Amino acid sequence: GAGVSQSPSNKVTEKGKDVELRCDPISGHTALYWYRQSLGQGLEFLIYFQGNSAPDKSGLPSDRFSAERTGGSVSTLTIQRTQQEDSAVYLCASSPLPTNTEAFFGQGTRLTVV
Amino acid sequence: SQQGEEDPQALSIQEGENATMNCSYKTSINNLQWYRQNSGRGLVHLILIRSNEREKHSGRLRVTLDTSKKSSSLLITASRAADTASYFCATDASGSARQLTFGSGTQLTVLP
Repeated sequence: GAGVSQSPSNKVTEKGKDVELRCDPISGHTALYWYRQSLGQGLEFLIYFQGNSAPDKSGLPSDRFSAERTGGSVSTLTIQRTQQEDSAVYLCASSPLPTNTEAFFGQGTRLTVV
Repeated sequence: SQQGEEDPQALSIQEGENATMNCSYKTSINNLQWYRQNSGRGLVHLILIRSNEREKHSGRLRVTLDTSKKSSSLLITASRAADTASYFCATDASGSARQLTFGSGTQLTVLP
């Protein structure tokens, strides 16, 4: 595809269930970011992958959150035992270089925990 | 905590007027970028200014950067109703952690 693709677009889950969010970055982009955005708020950094380097996980809010990036391409963000405060839009972005370049965003996954 | 803080949080102007949004940040940066977001979904890159640049133009956009004050401004000239959106600054901080840190955003409303 031409852009960053995220799936699903919307996800409603029951409290306590696990969810997986998927991000397909633009082909060839080595950097991949995950952010979380609560309603009317700014973007909260979650995790950053760059090539084969160890990911920067410093933004993950708890050990219920994890992410992986297979083969330097597709990434999945997993939230275990979801809580209501996890409800937010989860945004993925990719970038062709690690610095000095723009990030291309997907349309996000709106997660609602009921 | 956010690296960048935009101000004002919300701005409402008439079509044709200029809109100015400001961003302050805390640490040394490689570059600063401005993004636009419609309807709480994906962000679109507008413009990037490097730390050794002071001003940059792109169409109706003008960005300034003052590294001594750790601040940047985004000016949209001759605004249109279609410019209504949230605008965010993002900093690419110096050092090995190459991640973009976003501010809290300015909600711009342009009234027709």
